[in-house]
Formats: sequence, C-alpha cells, structure tokens
Amino acid sequence: ETGVTQSPTHLIKTRGQQVTLRCSSQSGHNTVSWYQQALGQGPQFIFQYYREEENGRGNFPPRFSGLQFPNYSSELNVNALELDDSALYLCASSLDGRQGEAFFGQGTRLTVV
Amino acid sequence: ELKVEQNPLFLSMQEGKNYTIYCNYSTTSDRLYWYRQDPGKSLESLFVLLSNGAVKQEGRLMASLDTKARLSTLHITAAVHDLSATYFCVVSRNDMRFGAGTRLTVKP
Repeated sequence: ETGVTQSPTHLIKTRGQQVTLRCSSQSGHNTVSWYQQALGQGPQFIFQYYREEENGRGNFPPRFSGLQFPNYSSELNVNALELDDSALYLCASSLDGRQGEAFFGQGTRLTVV
Repeated sequence: ELKVEQNPLFLSMQEGKNYTIYCNYSTTSDRLYWYRQDPGKSLESLFVLLSNGAVKQEGRLMASLDTKARLSTLHITAAVHDLSATYFCVVSRNDMRFGAGTRLTVKP
C-alpha cells in the first residue's frame, strides 16, 4: 500500500459530460502528478501540482484541468468528454516536485460512452 | 523531446530462465525508475537509479544504469511465475516519461 488513494475507482460517463477525479496524497507529500493510461499503453503525463501551483504539463488540451488543495489532495477535471478519454487515470504523489520518487494510487477507470 | 524505448515489448519465459529487458532513452535525465504493474492494478516502484553505474538488486531482479550510453537494464534471474507482470522503465527530467512497457509472462 502506497498511502495514495483515488476516488472513484470506476466511472462511466457520456460523451460531452464533465468529470472530476480525486486523489489523496501520501502523508507528507507536497506534489501530485496525474497520468492517463490507455489500454495496453504506458501512462502519459497530464500535469503536476507542487504546493498548489501547476508545475508542468504534458501534451493534453485545456479541457484537462486540475487543482491541488492546502492539504495537498488534488482533483483532475475533464470537460467535454470524448470517447478517447476512456482510460485508467493514475495519481502519483511525491515529495518536492520532480525530484521525488512517485508513489501511485490504484487509479480511476473512466469509461466514456 | 525525451523518448524512452523498451524492448522487448512482449516476453514469454520459462520458469528458471534468465533474461534482460532493455531501456534506451534519448536525452540526459535526472533519474531512472523501474515500475511493475499487474493487470488492472496500479504501479509499484521497484528501483530508483540515480547515477552512472548504479546497480540495484531485489530478489530475482537487478537493475543497472549507464548514463553515457543512455541505457538501463532490468535483469531477471531464475524467473518464477510471480514475476509475470508489465514492467515500465521511467525516465525523469521535466516530467516522468514512461516507456511502452514490457509484458512478461513466466510459464511453468
């Protein structure tokens, strides 16, 4: 167990809807990163938050947005869902930005129909 | 752009055999990780390699890093069924860049 928890574990949404995924960091970690893992592929970096500020972003459109709260928990919001957004969304927490070893949550399986 | 290439992508082994998974990356990096993922599960950190020549071992797995060649290897010794999983090489620079993964199946 890594101490990183994500909710919900599974979710089904309709194309065009909006979704919010949540992540609770491991105790003491101030950095959260989000990844999208399509079936059969490696995780793709979406963005990272460090002490409540965005600290890097991958090649994802602006309809993917996030927040980090003072307790270092985090949300990933996706607007205008598309079928290709169906994937496993992984949250990883670490200490001190990009230099820290990342510990992953169990993921949220999002299906867009 | 940082690219991470793993090979092979699929590996079927007999129990008791040895094999090596290779990870090549295209630019300098801060550190390199190996992660394991079981089907439908999250990612488990196996090794963190920080410097040239680093070698780490845990049980039947040994990872090494050659920063000059931009190459890391994950060596499996005397494979057992429990090692069946997907193994990812991850290179850290501005973000964590994952390889495509090596899907390992160990057969009796």
